[in-house]
Amino acid sequence: QKEVEQNSGPLSVPEGAIASLNCTYSDRGSQSFFWYRQYSGKSPELIMSIYSNGDKEDGRFTAQLNKASQYVSLLIRDSQPSDSATYLCAVSPNAGKSTFGDGTTLTVKP
Amino acid sequence: DTGVSQNPRHKITKRGQNVTFRCDPISEHNRLYWYRQTLGQGPEFLTYFQNEAQLEKSRLLSDRFSAERPKGSFSTLEIQRTEQGDSAMYLCASSLNVQFFGPGTRLTVL
Repeated sequence: QKEVEQNSGPLSVPEGAIASLNCTYSDRGSQSFFWYRQYSGKSPELIMSIYSNGDKEDGRFTAQLNKASQYVSLLIRDSQPSDSATYLCAVSPNAGKSTFGDGTTLTVKP
Repeated sequence: DTGVSQNPRHKITKRGQNVTFRCDPISEHNRLYWYRQTLGQGPEFLTYFQNEAQLEKSRLLSDRFSAERPKGSFSTLEIQRTEQGDSAMYLCASSLNVQFFGPGTRLTVL
């Protein structure tokens, strides 16, 4: 079992819809949680960080964390074709290394 | 552009040759990380520095890999006696709290 699990997808949503991306992790000591977006051939780009249980909103993006369930999610509202990318979930126990999932590929269809 | 730079951006080498990559972090960031990413996988942790001290090195990293961060500024990653399995994108990230990635160095071993 991988330490960070994500559905590989592909996840396809129509333009304007809500895209929901999910991630589970195994290390209960994880304290920091991140979502990165990665376009094909490019490096990961940080979208959101979340550290405490609940929701955190930033523009069209909302990250949700439930440490008891070891679950973190990312919602993208009003999805745009430019949101089509691979979304990586990363967790970290502290300020050290992050452990990444293998990503979920999202396609937003016009 | 996150402010993290990596050179070279692409490297093609023959099996058995040594290669060295450089990463220049964001200037005020004291932590620097190296990851490796292959197609369809998330970034895999290799090693990390806090200032000039190498604090953690992946167990997956063979003795052919070495990294340095002299004076706590830029870092180099050297791979000796390259193998075809070393072909990957090598990513550098720097952080104070959250990690920002450079553009990566794509290594192809023929």
